[in-house]
This record gives sequence, structure tokens and C-alpha cells, in this order.
Amino acid sequence: AQKVTQAQTEISVVEKEDVTLDCVYETRDTTYYLFWYKQPPSGELVFLIRRNSFDEQNEISGRYSWNFQKSTSSFNFTITASQVVDSAVYFCALSILTGGGNKLTFGTGTQLKVEL
Amino acid sequence: NAGVTQTPKFRVLKTGQSMTLLCAQDMNHEYMYWYRQDPGMGLRLIHYSVGEGTTAKGEVPDGYNVSRLKKQNFLLGLESAAPSQTSVYFCASSPSLGLWDEQYFGPGTRLTVT
Repeated sequence: AQKVTQAQTEISVVEKEDVTLDCVYETRDTTYYLFWYKQPPSGELVFLIRRNSFDEQNEISGRYSWNFQKSTSSFNFTITASQVVDSAVYFCALSILTGGGNKLTFGTGTQLKVEL
Repeated sequence: NAGVTQTPKFRVLKTGQSMTLLCAQDMNHEYMYWYRQDPGMGLRLIHYSVGEGTTAKGEVPDGYNVSRLKKQNFLLGLESAAPSQTSVYFCASSPSLGLWDEQYFGPGTRLTVT
């Protein structure tokens, strides 16, 4: 069975601090994708980044960066120089193929609060 | 492009009442999904559809029915609402069933069953 664990329920930082959101996943599949979604106070989930199981190269995109380590089944997400607009719930999700197509398993989310 | 829209945004039902949530997408996506979001539990898949006229059960399908009569619409029905169905419901769509495809989400419907 697939599982995604986001152990951090809530994180509070002061603006301009860097913050890392942790994600640990479990799957027996060798081919999968990992995603991060953002849910701002407005409620709608917004896609942020994705990474496939064969590419462990870490990347940076603007203020976002991610660290994918297969050896520890982790897919951590870092926001550099956080801003108040980053305040949201962040979800990590695992995508695998099943008989009915791809299945997305979400973690329970991490509430990020960025204060002035 | 409106993307994915949901109707209504809020609803209060009494136990035993029925209702239908409407999801519409204008991106010509084949695949559509209904999730529920509960505190501390993330999003859980209720039902999904791989194309017009087809539906399938997800992780938590009991108490819900769905229909996909038109490609752009995916309806979620509650025949006899229960307090356990109080939740925020999200519809999503994706262009394919590929592992790599992100899902596009609607704004959600907050349902309270008293």
C-alpha cells in the first residue's frame, strides 16, 4: 500500500526565513512521481513541482527547491526567503499506476504560517 | 479559461436530505476526480472517471454516487446525507492517466450535514 507522511503539522516562520517541508513516502512500485501542491486560504489546490522516481537530481526554481532522496524515501521542499504570501497548506503527493490508471495519494498536509 | 469550477460553494443539509455537487471543466480533459478533505486526513479519493460515460470507485466511495454524462461535467450525489459526510469536496481533472500529469483542482465545496 502507498503512504505519504508529512510529520510537520504546522510551521511558523518569520518573513525572509528559509523553511523546509518534509515528506516521506512508502511504495513498492519502482516507477512513480512525487508532487507538491499548495493550498492557499482561498482553498484551491495549486500544483507546484513534480519529480519522477528515476531522477534524483535536485532542482531550484526561483525561491523553491526540492531534495529527492530515494535512499530515505524523502521528497523535501524548501522555500527560500519566505514571504507572507507563502502562507498556505502544502501537500506532498505520490502518483503510481493502478489497474484503473494513476492513483494520487496525498499526505495530511503542513500548514505554513509566515509572519512579518 | 475558467479551468475547473464547482457548484455550489457552500451548502448545509439536514441528515437524510439529498443533493448533487456539480463539477465542470473547460480544458477538454478526459479524466475527472472527486475528493473529500477532512482535518488531519489530507485528500481522499471518492470516485473518478476515465471518460464520458465511465465511473469507478476510489478509496472512500460509500454513500456517494457519480455520473459523467458529458465529458466536461462530473456530478457527485449524496442520496441520504449523514453527519459523517460533512467535509470539503474537491473536484479535479487531468488530461491523461499518466503518472506525470498534475491534476487541476476546483475551488471546493464546503458541505455541512446537521
